[in-house]
Amino acid sequence: DQQVKQNSPSLSVQEGRISILNCDYTNSMFDYFLWYKKYPAEGPTFLISISSIKDKNEDGRFTVFLNKSAKHLSLHIVPSQPGDSAVYFCAASGGDDKIIFGKGTRLHILP
Amino acid sequence: AAGVIQSPRHLIKEKRETATLKCYPIPRHDTVYWYQQGPGQDPQFLISFYEKMQSDKGSIPDRFSAQQFSDYHSELNMSSLELGVSALYFCASSLGGQGAVATNEKLFFGSGTQLSVL
Repeated sequence: DQQVKQNSPSLSVQEGRISILNCDYTNSMFDYFLWYKKYPAEGPTFLISISSIKDKNEDGRFTVFLNKSAKHLSLHIVPSQPGDSAVYFCAASGGDDKIIFGKGTRLHILP
Repeated sequence: AAGVIQSPRHLIKEKRETATLKCYPIPRHDTVYWYQQGPGQDPQFLISFYEKMQSDKGSIPDRFSAQQFSDYHSELNMSSLELGVSALYFCASSLGGQGAVATNEKLFFGSGTQLSVL
């Protein structure tokens, strides 16, 4: 049973516009959420994270929003750039060593 | 900067053979994690080690075993290989061990080992 769900397998966004990637989770014990970015033939790289005590975390062009009541988080990238084209994994943790990943969303930034 | 090194990058085996995947964490990192990502699937947590001891266990198949050595590198051993274990195997490392994620430590991933069982 998927505890972390990314329902959009792919997303296409025009360069310069905002990219919004969504993620839902089912386990209310999760208290830490992360986004990873993955290029082909490379391992995932950490992008941004948010603790459950916050509802927003911003780092440059990347902002993650957390809605605990809806068990939903989203990653906003603005403005989107060609180098942002990659697979984005949403992940969650309940404080132990396990990080549970979603299936990923492939983001295409269109010129 | 040194990253997580995984070897080999690609491995082709036949059914019922044995495979060993190696992971060399970032220097000074004491925690290693193994993930399995099947085609079109999300990365699934297999097992983790902190200071050479198993710290957590996920959906690791019975025919798999792993350990972390004194130099902190880790090996994932798979015996009696079946077609269904063909996947990309990622290793990640971090500093901090138990609860590392909760204290804002990040996982650093290797590029993975692509295992193909024919």
